[in-house]
Amino acid sequence: DVKVTQSSRYLVKRTGEKVFLECVQDMDHENMFWYRQDPGLGLRLIYFSYDVKMKEKGDIPEGYSVSREKKERFSLILESASTNQTSMYLCASTLLGGNTEAFFGQGTRLTVV
Amino acid sequence: GENVEQHPSTLSVQEGDSAVIKCTYSDSASNYFPWYKQELGKRPQLIIDIRSNVGEKKDQRIAVTLNKTAKHFSLHITETQPEDSAVYFCAASMFSGGYNKLIFGAGTRLAVHP
Repeated sequence: DVKVTQSSRYLVKRTGEKVFLECVQDMDHENMFWYRQDPGLGLRLIYFSYDVKMKEKGDIPEGYSVSREKKERFSLILESASTNQTSMYLCASTLLGGNTEAFFGQGTRLTVV
Repeated sequence: GENVEQHPSTLSVQEGDSAVIKCTYSDSASNYFPWYKQELGKRPQLIIDIRSNVGEKKDQRIAVTLNKTAKHFSLHITETQPEDSAVYFCAASMFSGGYNKLIFGAGTRLAVHP
């Protein structure tokens, strides 16, 4: 059974805090993605990575950074959390090339107060 | 970069009717078009996909069509059932520069009424 696991289901953080969202996959996938999901806006791509230490900006990277030190782990970092970053964050992974199925984590609902 | 537009944002049908969701994409290099279903409180899951060398694909009550010239693709659900109620996302992907980039539409909330 394939698995993508996000470290927290719910998080509440204060404005200005540094926040780490962790994602781990056990499928040996090369590609990993971070999306945020907001009502009416769908899944918007923040950052993605296709190899260890490699990263690419998505459509809304401002205010975020990422880290991929190991193939199975992809971290999303909010350097200084703001209230407009309150959202559902979803991690996903796929094999590289061939355009294959994306597997999603269960999501982290982050509230910044 | 790639942009995916999805319509309608909400769709309400009676059980047994058909439902159609449409998407357009901007980057002609996109070559893979998956559809995901997200039930309330759950993670998105792939329900069907189509590659650019195919015009249509069917799996039981769901089908997807692709018009590469017009950059359109659509999801068709026939004989809808209450358990089809969910949010559906289309996506477009390309493999370029050594990596995949997967871009989603804004989603369609489908409600099937008994």
